[in-house]
Amino acid sequence: IAGITQAPTSQILAAGRRMTLRCTQDMRHNAMYWYRQDLGLGLRLIHYSNTAGTTGKGEVPDGYSVSRANTDDFHRTLASAVPSQTSVYFCASSEGASGTDTQYFGPGTRLTVL
Amino acid sequence: GQNIDQPTEMTATEGAIVQINCTYQTSGFNGLFWYQQHAGEAPTFLSYNVLDGLEEKGRFSSFLSRSKGYSYLLLKELQMKDSASYLCGRVDSNYQLIWGAGTKLIIKP
Repeated sequence: IAGITQAPTSQILAAGRRMTLRCTQDMRHNAMYWYRQDLGLGLRLIHYSNTAGTTGKGEVPDGYSVSRANTDDFHRTLASAVPSQTSVYFCASSEGASGTDTQYFGPGTRLTVL
Repeated sequence: GQNIDQPTEMTATEGAIVQINCTYQTSGFNGLFWYQQHAGEAPTFLSYNVLDGLEEKGRFSSFLSRSKGYSYLLLKELQMKDSASYLCGRVDSNYQLIWGAGTKLIIKP
């Protein structure tokens, strides 16, 4: 693979169910990010990881947990899905952890919570 | 979001020139990004400006004025494939990247 992959590409989920969204990059980037994108609101940061083993909360972290066990993987879990989590979720990575480093995005996961 | 303003939507004609503006909060500024996002796809990097002036990359140019809190993306010789959303992102004082809501550009023949 080259770049960033996300799985699944789309998912319809019943409210209250648990779900993990997966993100893997092969560029050996130090920093990774999870965003949600909603119409009219642009990209909003959910969580970030500056390096393997560390994570931090972004603008809208509620209801999500993340894990960065190694450099390549940054997975995100919804413990109990709610309809307000219906969105498009993008994973991104950058070589460095500064906001001035160019971020490269995965193809996105389209999640619908009913 | 967070004091970054872009027009919601713009329309232009194939072959023409279009300028997409972005205004932002000037305090704690550490750079400005432009990304392109086609419908249903991931955002892709276009440009990064941290100093005042114009940077040209083929048909696309990006301009920055730090004192005015203003940037624009200039697209020349528009092609139908340029129909996309264009995202402005500002790096703040904490070196966090904050995104605007994006401008949807519609190109008509």
